[in-house]
Amino acid sequence: EPEVTQTPSHQVTQMGQEVILRCVPISNHLYFYWYRQILGQKVEFLVSFYNNEISEKSEIFDDQFSVERPDGSNFTLKIRSTKLEDSAMYFCASSALQNYGNTGELFFGEGSRLTVL
Amino acid sequence: SQKIEQNSEALNIQEGKTATLTCNYTNYSPAYLQWYRQDPGRGPVFLLLIRENEKEKRKERLKVTFDTTLKQSLFHITASQPADSATYLCALFSSNTGKLIFGQGTTLQVKP
Repeated sequence: EPEVTQTPSHQVTQMGQEVILRCVPISNHLYFYWYRQILGQKVEFLVSFYNNEISEKSEIFDDQFSVERPDGSNFTLKIRSTKLEDSAMYFCASSALQNYGNTGELFFGEGSRLTVL
Repeated sequence: SQKIEQNSEALNIQEGKTATLTCNYTNYSPAYLQWYRQDPGRGPVFLLLIRENEKEKRKERLKVTFDTTLKQSLFHITASQPADSATYLCALFSSNTGKLIFGQGTTLQVKP
């Protein structure tokens, strides 16, 4: 069964360092997402991406964050200068269709745990 | 402001009973609502979707209802099993915002 894969599974970094989290969405999917989940809290929307551009983003997704689909298979989230409060599990997701009109089911990866010290 | 509320207290039930979880929302006009299951340290897994013009949807032992007047969805697991123990997340898609937003989830514990 096709799945979304994420690397690394766990990254520890120092405050102020740049981090890149990588995702390989399901191959025929067109819509890509990043969500994050701080320990014990809810899954929070960060950004959605379609046709090589951001379609929606939340207030969390400030200038420190960026996303890219560099080569047609990977989808990356970059955090330019990490803060302590960026420590969370980051989930990548993909869907075949946009979130209206059809199933809109999101397929999630297993997450990348980011710890900022 | 927009809110999605799920009971933050864990729900403990006996194996074989029906579990009922609630999702309430305010200041949303969702095109549809989804339910996901999340196990500790894992990503959410899609279970069911129900559209705004549907009252009820079933899949095996799962049943979801959607009342847009009450602004509430109920999620039922019949004949519950210990393997159903997990956190269940409600998620709403609003065509106004173009985002799928999650509630905080309710943890279900099914005791043998």
